[in-house]
Order: sequence, then structure tokens, then C-alpha cells
Amino acid sequence: DAGITQSPRHKVTETGTPVTLRCHQTENHRYMYWYRQDPGHGLRLIHYSYGVKDTDKGEVSDGYSVSRSKTEDFLLTLESATSSQTSVYFCAIDRGGRYGYTFGSGTRLTVV
Amino acid sequence: GENVEQHPSTLSVQEGDSAVIKCTYSDSASNYFPWYKQELGKRPQLIIDIRSNVGEKKDQRIAVTLNKTAKHFSLHITETQPEDSAVYFCAAGGGATNKLIFGTGTLLAVQP
Repeated sequence: DAGITQSPRHKVTETGTPVTLRCHQTENHRYMYWYRQDPGHGLRLIHYSYGVKDTDKGEVSDGYSVSRSKTEDFLLTLESATSSQTSVYFCAIDRGGRYGYTFGSGTRLTVV
Repeated sequence: GENVEQHPSTLSVQEGDSAVIKCTYSDSASNYFPWYKQELGKRPQLIIDIRSNVGEKKDQRIAVTLNKTAKHFSLHITETQPEDSAVYFCAAGGGATNKLIFGTGTLLAVQP
């Protein structure tokens, strides 16, 4: 798993419900990121974290919030899911040096 | 903020030919330029990167060039093979938070 796991792998939820995606790392890296991937848009940065309780917005943060209460966990919450948030969500850690970013396996979220 | 444009969106080559993918970026403060390969249904994986103090870097059949004055960088794959078929993403970033902004991706198809 390259030191990073995402859960769940797949989720179907209804419009208007809250959803939380989890990213867990085992290597104690400082920087963690959430991206969404959509056809024609590539990978777009939602939020990122540079330490416990230190987070900031990315390119497409509206409708999303994050929390990082422990180094190993970075949570992404959709407060009230909308169909436009149907996407594949990737978490990444920055392992630095020649390793760069390592991505999780992704979460496929469908909002119906 | 940073903006990364990537071209072409699709590229088809014959096995053994070369492939070139180009990216431009907007933020002159960016100092790190990685390239990721994503096979169908998989996570993006780092294949090569370059930092702003270097103009070219090569790793076997893959090379990346950087022109900081013009704010563009390119991926070159020589002697393409069918297993090179994938989506390739460029990215730009670095700095204090190490956040990366990605291009929209290039679907490379290598025809046997």
C-alpha cells in the first residue's frame, strides 16, 4: 500500500447527506493532500495539510472541509453531498526527495 | 495561484516512435516539476521529476526538459512500447507547502 491507505474504496451516497473520506499514512510525513480527479480536469487540489491542525484550501475547496487531529490521519468531509461531487478522490503524501508524492488507491464516490 | 496547461490531451504513436508532451506553468516561484503516469484504474505514480536548477534530466527512455525563462517543461519518451500506454500528468509547485498543481493529463496510446 506504499504507506498510505484510503477508505472507503467505493461509496454511493444520496444528495444532501454528509460524507467523510479517510486517508491514513504509516510513515509520519508532514504534508498530506486531497485531490479529486474528473475527466478533462486532471487532478485538482481540494485541501492540504502541513501538520497537525494545520490545513489550507486548494483550487476547489468549496463544499469540502478537512481535519487533521493526528499526523497519520487526514479526513475529507463533504458537508452536504451534491451530484457535482461525484468523482474519484485521491489522497497523497509528500515523501520528499526522489520519492515525491505517493498517492493512495483512491475513493470512487457517487452522489445520487 | 499556479496554473498548469498540458498538451496534447491525446497522443497516438506507433511502437518504437518517440512521444513528447508539453506543459506550461504560470507561477515563476514554482521550482519543482514532476511527471506522473496513471494506468487505467490505478493510482498516479511518479516517473521522473526535475527541479528549477536543472535544465534536463534523463532516466533510460524518459527525459524531461525545463525552460524556466519561457515557463515550460516537456516529457520525452523514446522507443515507445505498448506498456507506455497510460495517462501522463505534469505538475508544478514546490515552495513552503510543497503543494502541486497538475495539468489536465495526456492519454498516450502506443500502437503495436
